[in-house]
Amino acid sequence: AAGVIQSPRHLIKEKRETATLKCYPIPRHDTVYWYQQGPGQDPQFLISFYEKMQSDKGSIPDRFSAQQFSDYHSELNMSSLELGDSALYFCASSLTVTGNTEAFFGQGTRLTVV
Amino acid sequence: AQTVTQSQPEMSVQEAETVTLSCTYDTSESDYYLFWYKQPPSRQMILVIRQEAYKQQNATENRFSVNFQKAAKSFSLKISDSQLGDAAMYFCAYRSENAGNMLTFGGGTRLMVKP
Repeated sequence: AAGVIQSPRHLIKEKRETATLKCYPIPRHDTVYWYQQGPGQDPQFLISFYEKMQSDKGSIPDRFSAQQFSDYHSELNMSSLELGDSALYFCASSLTVTGNTEAFFGQGTRLTVV
Repeated sequence: AQTVTQSQPEMSVQEAETVTLSCTYDTSESDYYLFWYKQPPSRQMILVIRQEAYKQQNATENRFSVNFQKAAKSFSLKISDSQLGDAAMYFCAYRSENAGNMLTFGGGTRLMVKP
């Protein structure tokens, strides 16, 4: 079965550069979530989209923005990168129907800022 | 805001033995979901087991079971007949029924399995 696809898997950027992470949800899933997991940390919720509209916002810095496109894929744009942005970025997707609780995670994008 | 606490940064278990990982949470809601996720060295987040708060019966998935104590806001994971492949970080997570579908994770417990 198709899973959540994230690209790229690894990314190295310099400080003050810009990065774009992509997420392709499981087909027919209408909700996408972004999480950030710093070294030795638990995943922190950044932002989510339902039917291409932002649905919830967590601890996402103002330097970051995200959107969900008509084909339901999502992109996380990160500008003015800082060393502290180095982390594993997860995307998850789910189908929002009554009684459905499970979100499926991608393999993550490891961003290293040098 | 909900918080999830895992008080055991590391746990160790002998292969074939049983281990219990602890998780407590704080919420004022009555309807919610609780999850245990496994994160092996590959860093993939894998759902192990989930529990709906309205269900009194504890969830079970093969060797994995939970002890859900709603009044105590406790949600522990028991792994029976531990296998080397169970070695990983385990995260407890909370999801509200009504206030958004995002997950709030605990700090994680690193489980080591000794042969």
